[in-house]
Amino acid sequence: KQEVTQIPAALSVPEGENLVLNCSFTDSAIYNLQWFRQDPGKGLTSLLLIQSSQREQTSGRLNASLDKSSGRSTLYIAASQPGDSATYLCAVNLNAGNNRKLIWGLGTSLAVNP
Amino acid sequence: NAGVMQNPRHLVRRRGQEARLRCSPMKGHSHVYWYRQLPEEGLKFMVYLQKENIIDESGMPKERFSAEFPKEGPSILRIQQVVRGDSAAYFCASSPSTSGRTFFTDTQYFGPGTRLTVL
Repeated sequence: KQEVTQIPAALSVPEGENLVLNCSFTDSAIYNLQWFRQDPGKGLTSLLLIQSSQREQTSGRLNASLDKSSGRSTLYIAASQPGDSATYLCAVNLNAGNNRKLIWGLGTSLAVNP
Repeated sequence: NAGVMQNPRHLVRRRGQEARLRCSPMKGHSHVYWYRQLPEEGLKFMVYLQKENIIDESGMPKERFSAEFPKEGPSILRIQQVVRGDSAAYFCASSPSTSGRTFFTDTQYFGPGTRLTVL
């Protein structure tokens, strides 16, 4: 059974710091992995998607890496800003054929202090 | 191109009533997913639908819950005889057809969610 774990559960940093959020999964047979952002009381925004054949994806100040064999992904946020404060969720897609459901971690709650 | 729309955003029901949650996918998307986020818990997959078909309902409770995605109109998640434990945020996501697969066809785009409170 696939399980997704995110460490740390919560993180508080001063503005400007570079930081790393970690995601691990127990079954390396994944199709892809997505990082999402969730703001309090709001929906989810997809940040980055990494296919199983890829090693990393970049979007602006965000960089996500994937090491499928070791069951790990990291989300790197450069030069953090107060607007980055949110919960960051990692989800893996186990796709085999039509199975496209996402299995989620519990998230890392990030607070960036001005 | 409007994003995924869900309504209502907030829904209050008394125990025993029915709850109907609606999801309109992004234009051109034919795949819909429903997820539930219980208080202090992570998101859990419920059901994956394509137009007029349920593809995977392995995350749906066996009783009281049903989902549909008709040929015309939004996808509906229906909860009959609600109980307090059904109080949660229900999120809908959509993605395009799998034909001509690219990065964008695999990304799931989420709606703002419906927050159900059962009194």
